[in-house]
Amino acid sequence: ETGVTQTPRHLVMGMTNKKSLKCEQHLGHNAMYWYKQSAKKPLELMFVYNFKEQTENNSVPSRFSPECPNSSHLFLHLHTLQPEDSALYLCASSQDPALSQPQHFGDGTRLSIL
Amino acid sequence: DQQVKQNSPSLSVQEGRISILNCDYTNSMFDYFLWYKKYPAEGPTFLISISSIKDKNEDGRFTVFLNKSAKHLSLHIVPSQPGDSAVYFCAASGDFGNEKLTFGTGTRLTIIP
Repeated sequence: ETGVTQTPRHLVMGMTNKKSLKCEQHLGHNAMYWYKQSAKKPLELMFVYNFKEQTENNSVPSRFSPECPNSSHLFLHLHTLQPEDSALYLCASSQDPALSQPQHFGDGTRLSIL
Repeated sequence: DQQVKQNSPSLSVQEGRISILNCDYTNSMFDYFLWYKKYPAEGPTFLISISSIKDKNEDGRFTVFLNKSAKHLSLHIVPSQPGDSAVYFCAASGDFGNEKLTFGTGTRLTIIP
């Protein structure tokens, strides 16, 4: 039990589909993150939310749209994705918005774009 | 341009021996470093961290060494156990962790029974 739950675990979608990834944490943390891990590449930070407010957008294309309705939930809405967007998408949370706080990761959503 | 490099994609170590995982960084502004461990089909889990005011941090079987002049850190696991088989990621941050984490590509450690 990691405390950070991601659904779905696997997702296959076409380039014209719209889907959403969900992340939920019950750790009482105030900061949540989306990361992307492509094959043989480092984890790349996509978005950071502190107290439900987006504080970082790491030059992510607009076809990825995050939403943080409350401090326990984080979504990543997907629309018109490209084959190169196939990757493992990891959600994380931390107690304190300072990024030095160890981040607790979910198990990820493996996304495949056809 | 990768600022955090883990040049060994894989490492095999006999059970009971020492495992040494290496990480090099190029950004001299990095001053806070973390190691994460990842099992297949699971997310990374935090293992140990070190800030640049120290050159060593120890937690049980895990010790991280930081050589600032060489921009190099290493994770030592001793004695190695089969459950240590996983992918290990090095990560770095500036401003004592107040900047975003930059990750390496990981090293797959296999402990041979």
